[in-house]
Amino acid sequence: DGGITQSPKYLFRKEGQNVTLSCEQNLNHDAMYWYRQDPGQGLRLIYYSQIVNDFQKGDIAEGYSVSREKKESFPLTVTSAQKNPTAFYLCASSNHKASGYYEQYFGPGTRLTVT
Amino acid sequence: AQRVTQPEKLLSVFKGAPVELKCNYSYSGSPELFWYVQYSRQRLQLLLRHISRESIKGFTADLNKGETSFHLKKPFAQEEDSAMYYCALRGTGNKLVFGAGTILRVKS
Repeated sequence: DGGITQSPKYLFRKEGQNVTLSCEQNLNHDAMYWYRQDPGQGLRLIYYSQIVNDFQKGDIAEGYSVSREKKESFPLTVTSAQKNPTAFYLCASSNHKASGYYEQYFGPGTRLTVT
Repeated sequence: AQRVTQPEKLLSVFKGAPVELKCNYSYSGSPELFWYVQYSRQRLQLLLRHISRESIKGFTADLNKGETSFHLKKPFAQEEDSAMYYCALRGTGNKLVFGAGTILRVKS
């Protein structure tokens, strides 16, 4: 079954703890993205990576960190510095080198609750 | 600035009525625009892209560069169209800039 997987589906953490969200894809896509989805604010880009061992900050990177050691994997760490971490997190990937059609494929999401 | 505006948070229509979800964009250059849809308990997925000029599930969207708009339309709404709809712009660096989204609720 090809696609993007995110785990876990639900995650609960205490304030002050770092937490890592998993994102894996077997689509052989070069680019991967992390978004945060909040009601009334749409999807906001946290970090993105266009190639292995390289990544860039998105619009709301503060309090988050990522790594891209493998093409298939792009984990997101929500650190204790993130002031409002409770949200729904979406991972996506795309084959940006393909000519013609461009599309981002999304994972099922992880709902993080920090109390 | 690269920006996408969806002015309606919620659009409620009756089954069989026409639907228009509004989207306006701000982009210097030739824009590439998309509509993504998220049905209940399903993942976000591409609905249509302007360069294809396609009709998916009866939905169409025309790029109007003069009005900087990419409104999504369907002549007759169905209950299964109820979902969250996002308009998106392909920006620099192969990123997508999303609007805030519009919830479409089709009532029977």
